[in-house]
Amino acid sequence: QVQLVESGGGLVKPGGSLRLSCAASGFALTDYSMCWVRQAPGRGLEFVSYISYGGRDIYYADSVKGRFIISRENAKTTVYLQMNTLRAEDTAVYFCARENDDSWIDLWGQGTLVTVSS
Amino acid sequence: IVLTQSQATLSLSPGERATLSCRASQSISRYLAWYQQKPGQAPRLLISDASNRATGIPARFSGSGSGTDFTLTISSLEPEDFAVYYCQHRSNWPFTWAFGQGTKLAIK
Repeated sequence: QVQLVESGGGLVKPGGSLRLSCAASGFALTDYSMCWVRQAPGRGLEFVSYISYGGRDIYYADSVKGRFIISRENAKTTVYLQMNTLRAEDTAVYFCARENDDSWIDLWGQGTLVTVSS
Repeated sequence: IVLTQSQATLSLSPGERATLSCRASQSISRYLAWYQQKPGQAPRLLISDASNRATGIPARFSGSGSGTDFTLTISSLEPEDFAVYYCQHRSNWPFTWAFGQGTKLAIK
């Protein structure tokens, strides 16, 4: 079954860290660029980070640059998002997503909730 | 690039035609997609490259436009179509990622 499954979300205090994982199955992760998109409660979708299929090209939204790190282990069919120095405004559901050859998102995970609160 | 979906909420009845708009702050050619999101679910790709329906998307969904003005049309609303719709721009040169704020299609 072609799917993405996120894990690692939870409650963390401001200034804390969390690492999200995205496990891919049913397709060759090595063939796809991947990204993280988040959605704060009751809000719209926001791009967080992107990593190309080979891992050479990486981009971040300005709001997370310098605090978040995206990586991938193709052998483990997993993409990660290391989130440091978390702020209340980082509270959101974080979706892992796959870009197709035309750079559109054709596969989404179910999302994992990150709550930053004291 | 900023995408503006001017209709925060659109209230229509089943069977009616829905026209959702998305405007880009500068020309993006046809590099625009539309996604549908239902409560508690991940978004789903409907339309890519302004007018190409994604696999499995019913023919009542259509997209049009180029440059700065884009439209998603649902020809005859089904009960399952009431959801939030987002437009998205994506470009590699330079790397650009942008979502519109979303339009909630509500039952009237």
